[in-house]
Amino acid sequence: QSALTQPASVSGSPGQSITISCTGTSSDVGGYNFVSWYQQHPGKAPKLMIYEVSNRPSGVSNRFSGSKSGNTASLTISGLQTEDEADYYCGSYTTSSTQVFGPGTKVTVL
Amino acid sequence: EVQLVESGGALVQPGGSLRLSCAASGFTFTSYWMSWVRQAPGKGLEWVANIKQDGSEKYYVDSVKGRFTISRDNAKNSLYLQMNSLRVEDTAVYYCAVGEVVTFWGQGTLVTVSS
Repeated sequence: QSALTQPASVSGSPGQSITISCTGTSSDVGGYNFVSWYQQHPGKAPKLMIYEVSNRPSGVSNRFSGSKSGNTASLTISGLQTEDEADYYCGSYTTSSTQVFGPGTKVTVL
Repeated sequence: EVQLVESGGALVQPGGSLRLSCAASGFTFTSYWMSWVRQAPGKGLEWVANIKQDGSEKYYVDSVKGRFTISRDNAKNSLYLQMNSLRVEDTAVYYCAVGEVVTFWGQGTLVTVSS
């Protein structure tokens, strides 16, 4: 049950695009199209931003998009805004019928 | 509106027990897997356990196997987590969540294990 790998931090200026990577193995990210991305502001519960690799729940801005190649998934935030400053976690279904998360990426808007 | 309300968090001594509850509303509870996820202070998310719609399948992270038990009462739209032999490292906010792969989270309840 090893955690996924994410960069500790990513930053960008307002209006720019940033991408957060999430690397796993063939037992999780690479083996299933059940990768999700969550946004968490300080002191708040996480919020689903992307599910099943690239799908956005109702109400989530289309500035958020997801993709996957092999064992690595990615979250791209386009047109970066100040309210996007938060921690972002990836999560994946695994062969053990469990879910595993990445360590989180702190996004800073410069 | 989907709502998940956790309760039962408290300060407990190492070796003690605690039972967390989660009251669900706003969706068809019996149609979804449910999960517990925890977050230690200042740390990332850790998946803890999940349970199938009818309770016939349950899975746990290795660190809680044999100590924690997930259960549900579909008649009461409720999810539970029985935690025994608690350790200092179990200190965290525990979130009730919808889905085998989480789609919606409650607001969490704080469990502190300390002497």
